Amino acid sequence: RKEVEQDPGPFNVPEGATVAFNCTYSNSASQSFFWYRQDCRKEPKLLMSVYSSGNEDGRFTAQLNRASQYISLLIRDSKLSDSATYLCVVNAGGYNKLIFGAGTRLAVHP
Amino acid sequence: EPEVTQTPSHQVTQMGQEVILRCVPISNHLYFYWYRQILGQKVEFLVSFYNNEISEKSEIFDDQFSVERPDGSNFTLKIRSTKLEDSAMYFCASSEPRQSGGRNEQFFGPGTRLTVL
Repeated sequence: RKEVEQDPGPFNVPEGATVAFNCTYSNSASQSFFWYRQDCRKEPKLLMSVYSSGNEDGRFTAQLNRASQYISLLIRDSKLSDSATYLCVVNAGGYNKLIFGAGTRLAVHP
Repeated sequence: EPEVTQTPSHQVTQMGQEVILRCVPISNHLYFYWYRQILGQKVEFLVSFYNNEISEKSEIFDDQFSVERPDGSNFTLKIRSTKLEDSAMYFCASSEPRQSGGRNEQFFGPGTRLTVL
């Protein structure tokens, strides 16, 4: 089983749509969870940390289910500028190193 | 907003040559990292560095790699004898220590694209 698994997409959605990404992770000792976005040939940029209780930042909502080892990201009212690859990222148990998923590509069209 | 910076943005080198990639982490951060991303693949952890020593490294980080914090601001990655398969984007990252309440949120620099010919 891959350490962090994501649907590669691409998800092609119109502006204004709601889109959801899912991710599963294999290490039950992971303690920190994140969504990063990566534009083509650029660095990963932290979008949001994911908390056990779920959290929201504007149009973005993240959920964590520790029992199922499952993380989700919901984007509401998609904008053209949301087009990017979304990376599900977890830490490796008690260590600081981050384990990245391969990413889910999102393309928002007019 | 403070950010991680990296130089050069692109480095081209011949196989077998040594390269040094440079990073300036965010000034109040104490953990530093190197990751790499081969074109079309996922981001992979190489090494973490804290309190002037390596705290963790991956199996990719073999004897050809080394890291150093030569002064109070720079953090470098050296590859002693580059191979073709070292061609990748190398990202530096930094984070606050957990003891200060940080959640290990790591902030990445813009990367150095290394091309080995």
